[in-house]
Formats: sequence, structure tokens, C-alpha cells
Amino acid sequence: NAGVTQTPKFRVLKTGQSMTLLCAQDMNHEYMYWYRQDPGMGLRLIHYSVGEGTTAKGEVPDGYNVSRLKKQNFLLGLESAAPSQTSVYFCASSPSLSGRPSTDTQYFGPGTRLTVL
Amino acid sequence: AQSVSQHNHHVILSEAASLELGCNYSYGGTVNLFWYVQYPGQHLQLLLKYFSGDPLVKGIKGFEAEFIKSKFSFNLRKPSVQWSDTAEYFCAVIAKNSGTYKYIFGTGTRLKVLA
Repeated sequence: NAGVTQTPKFRVLKTGQSMTLLCAQDMNHEYMYWYRQDPGMGLRLIHYSVGEGTTAKGEVPDGYNVSRLKKQNFLLGLESAAPSQTSVYFCASSPSLSGRPSTDTQYFGPGTRLTVL
Repeated sequence: AQSVSQHNHHVILSEAASLELGCNYSYGGTVNLFWYVQYPGQHLQLLLKYFSGDPLVKGIKGFEAEFIKSKFSFNLRKPSVQWSDTAEYFCAVIAKNSGTYKYIFGTGTRLKVLA
């Protein structure tokens, strides 16, 4: 049981390049999330998904797109990277035990450190 | 706008000292409150959470937190810290607003415990 895994662990991009971050979970969780963590800012939610085929915007969605084609995977895409997107990106998942995701524990991945030059 | 404030950004304590980390939130509706911890080199993991019932909740490794609704606070406490408690601690609020969920994390508190 690997939990939540993220690929890649590190990446350096040039401004304007595109890339996709992959998040995978093997816990059969319904909900998945993408956060970014910046110094002095805490974790901020980018997008989340409440089930396969569904996505929703979080607090800071601009410049990112997501897809949840399979229940176990949640992809975060940067179409045209900007230096402001330099950050550590965390993926998380949570079950829907109670039907109220706001009470469920989130399980986090190890993070992806992205630098945009 | 909804927010979560952790006023202590860095805390240094000696082993056996008592710990209290502050967490205040601004949101008028029903909230669910969490404390997560990130040990060096490890994933963020749940310490404890509150969503209803007894406002004093106990978590792993001897941590507890008290929800005081009138003060919009959810402070984390531990009577006697250990060197292994060195980590970064995040307070989080999850609330439902007009059918959508708001997930708001604080900026984190780095705790260093001196042996």
C-alpha cells in the first residue's frame, strides 16, 4: 500500500514550457486535491476532485488545469509555466466515509518541487 | 475572506517544556478543524481533528486541541514535548459554503525541540 505518490519529485522548467504532475493513490479514495506551498503562505488549494470525471476550482486555480480520468489518478497541468508557479506542489486524497468530505482526513503525497526559470 | 492565522511562525523549546500553538480562523459558518504535522523528510499527516462533540480533542503522540467557538480558536497543546516533536505544524479549516468546500490552511509553525 503506497498511499499517495507524486511524479516527478523535482523539476526545473523554463518560462513558457508545459508539464504535467501526476498524483496516484491506491486507497480507493473518492476525493483528491492539489495544493501549492509557498514560504509564508501555507498550503493553498489549486483544484480538487470529488470523483472520477469531476473537478472543481480551489483558491488559486489560474494557470493550472486538472483532469481525473481514472479514480486513482489526478493530473495537474501547467500549460505555460511562469516564475510565479515556482513552488512545492502537494497532492492529497481523502475517503468519503461519512458522505461529508469536510470531516475526512486528507492523506498527503511527498510533494513535487518545481522551479520555473 | 476566510483565513486561518497561526501567529507563531517559529517556536523553540527544550524537552519537557509545555507547548501551545495558536490557531485562529475567520469564518462565520460551520467549520471542521484539523491539525496536520510534517516531520522532517516525511509527508504531512493528521494529528487530530474536530467536527462535533467534545470540543477538547485528543490526537496522536499526546497532542490535544481545544475548540473555542466564541474565540474562533483551535489551539494545539502538549504538556511535555520531546525532541521527536520537532516538525512543522499546520492548522486547517474546512467549511462548506453554498454547496462548495473551502479548504484553508494556516502558514504553519516550525517547532524545534532542543534535547
